[in-house]
Amino acid sequence: AQSVAQPEDQVNVAEGNPLTVKCTYSVSGNPYLFWYVQYPNRGLQFLLKYITGDNLVKGSYGFEAEFNKSQTSFHLKKPSALVSDSALYFCAVRQLWDDYKLSFGAGTTVTVRA
Amino acid sequence: EAEVAQSPRYKITEKSQAVAFWCDPISGHATLYWYRQILGQGPELLVQFQDESVVDDSQLPKDRFSAERLKGVDSTLKIQPAELGDSAMYLCASSHDRSNNSPLHFGNGTRLTVT
Repeated sequence: AQSVAQPEDQVNVAEGNPLTVKCTYSVSGNPYLFWYVQYPNRGLQFLLKYITGDNLVKGSYGFEAEFNKSQTSFHLKKPSALVSDSALYFCAVRQLWDDYKLSFGAGTTVTVRA
Repeated sequence: EAEVAQSPRYKITEKSQAVAFWCDPISGHATLYWYRQILGQGPELLVQFQDESVVDDSQLPKDRFSAERLKGVDSTLKIQPAELGDSAMYLCASSHDRSNNSPLHFGNGTRLTVT
């Protein structure tokens, strides 16, 4: 079985401050990890993915994520948050043996205050 | 940039009625997914197509839900009869293929309200 957990329902930061959204995973074998963002009444937008290679992955809109195998984590980060980053963020994991099924976490609501 | 098209954006229906959602994936994308997203939760996979074939419908409530992708392009998801608990956002997504390297591209969804 595979699962992904987002331990924080909400994250609040001031504009210009660093933003971190946490994600931990539980899979058998090598994980394929993704981050998506969802704005109100919209579909999910792909931000970045980790498949293999460098543990630090850079994605869209200045976001990056660090894969940590020992801690089974894939936290999303942005050095300087913008008000426009306020949205719902989902971590997802995909597993080769499970027919590449993509499973999502419950989501973290990010609010960036001006 | 090409997008996944879904219609309608919003649908209100009474319980026991039939309802259908339509999805047109990005051209050339072989894999199509239907997800259900209940408010406050992450999307849950209902059904996955590879071309016109269903490869995973293990979470699809088959007594009332059906999905088809007859020509391997656009797809329809149907609920008959609708129940109050079906109120949710229904998201369609497509990817170039089933591999781990292919990110999913989502449509804007259909928000269903069952009264």
